[in-house]
Amino acid sequence: DGGITQSPKYLFRKEGQNVTLSCEQNLNHDAMYWYRQDPGQGLRLIYYSQIVNDFQKGDIAEGYSVSREKKESFPLTVTSAQKNPTAFYLCATTGTERSTDTQYFGPGTRLTVL
Amino acid sequence: AQSVAQPEDQVNVAEGNPLTVKCTYSVSGNPYLFWYVQYPNRGLQFLLKYITGDNLVKGSYGFEAEFNKSQTSFHLKKPSALVSDSALYFCAVRDGYYGNNRLAFGKGNQVVVIP
Repeated sequence: DGGITQSPKYLFRKEGQNVTLSCEQNLNHDAMYWYRQDPGQGLRLIYYSQIVNDFQKGDIAEGYSVSREKKESFPLTVTSAQKNPTAFYLCATTGTERSTDTQYFGPGTRLTVL
Repeated sequence: AQSVAQPEDQVNVAEGNPLTVKCTYSVSGNPYLFWYVQYPNRGLQFLLKYITGDNLVKGSYGFEAEFNKSQTSFHLKKPSALVSDSALYFCAVRDGYYGNNRLAFGKGNQVVVIP
């Protein structure tokens, strides 16, 4: 997990609220990713960014938004439009956009809707 | 399209016995294959990857994996399992054309090592 931090570790949200999950990296990596993990479903890609001020939707982007204003930071906002947001959220980075690069993961944020 | 199948939900093995976690993949071009391990409420830790070259890849913590192109498989192995190897294991694949840095993950295998 070293070099990638996610905060908070646990987050509780009331229905109808937007919440923002933080992902910061000091690895000088270009590409950053957000995944959602649900039991028995593996990891599903929400959004990814290959460069500052640019990002693309992944497979399950509805109800989420992101920004990439700085190379080090890629925050994820879970909006009230996301119908089932309770999950474990993982941020990852790769050094470049090369296909051979390894993705490295942060420690995760567990979001629970009350 | 790129995809991964991990056919077994859970693998039980006695401590000291060999451990195998199965993975098959589907890609259009050359496969780049990865294995990760996850402990409860933690992020994924990288174990090893296959890009090209020797079909037997050695990684962290005594794990290795064998790439088999004809069977489109990349099974993870460890000769002698430890109780501390009990965790969730993910196989992932990326289709090897430039600019594609999206990974496709399998659903994961829960490994339980019995003392």
